[in-house]
Amino acid sequence: DAGVTQSPTHLIKTRGQQVTLRCSPISGHKSVSWYQQVLGQGPQFIFQYYEKEERGRGNFPDRFSARQFPNYSSELNVNALLLGDSALYLCASSPTSVLSGNTIYFGEGSWLTVV
Amino acid sequence: EDQVTQSPEALRLQEGESSSLNCSYTVSGLRGLFWYRQDPGKGPEFLFTLYSAGEEKEKERLKATLTKKESFLHITAPKPEDSATYLCAVQVITGNQFYFGTGTSLTVIP
Repeated sequence: DAGVTQSPTHLIKTRGQQVTLRCSPISGHKSVSWYQQVLGQGPQFIFQYYEKEERGRGNFPDRFSARQFPNYSSELNVNALLLGDSALYLCASSPTSVLSGNTIYFGEGSWLTVV
Repeated sequence: EDQVTQSPEALRLQEGESSSLNCSYTVSGLRGLFWYRQDPGKGPEFLFTLYSAGEEKEKERLKATLTKKESFLHITAPKPEDSATYLCAVQVITGNQFYFGTGTSLTVIP
């Protein structure tokens, strides 16, 4: 079975532009979470979606938004990109809501470089 | 404030030299503690979940243990392929996010 898949794997954007990152969860998983990992740091929570509803949001500005589709895939959008948004963006899926104590499984991530 | 601290930041071991990585946490209420392995440029790979003090999990050369304040990842007779960054994360009872430490970068020298 396929794991969590993310696209694109690498991308370069200019300051002020907008970016959309995509994620497909493990088959049967209904919850998707997004994390940002800056080089040398641990992942930081951005959003969690379960059954197409936002169930949690981390300490990120409103430039960050996300949504989950009926097939449980998800998109993360970042507007007005800043140099500091350069990071590895990780998507993770779990069978049900993270509140259930489920393990989350990560994809390989999308490397975003803002120049 | 919920907090996770990992030590050491970096660890170099000779092949076969056993050691332990530490993850200490301060949280309002622990739902679970998770260990992940991350290779350079890749996403974290799940290793273990621990839910209560006294619990232990093993997988090949790795063994994870949990107390009320910290968790240890013991590596027995490591091999070069064990070289990676090991991340610890906690989930709290009242939240739906994982709080990660900054990781321990392990290098095993042949």
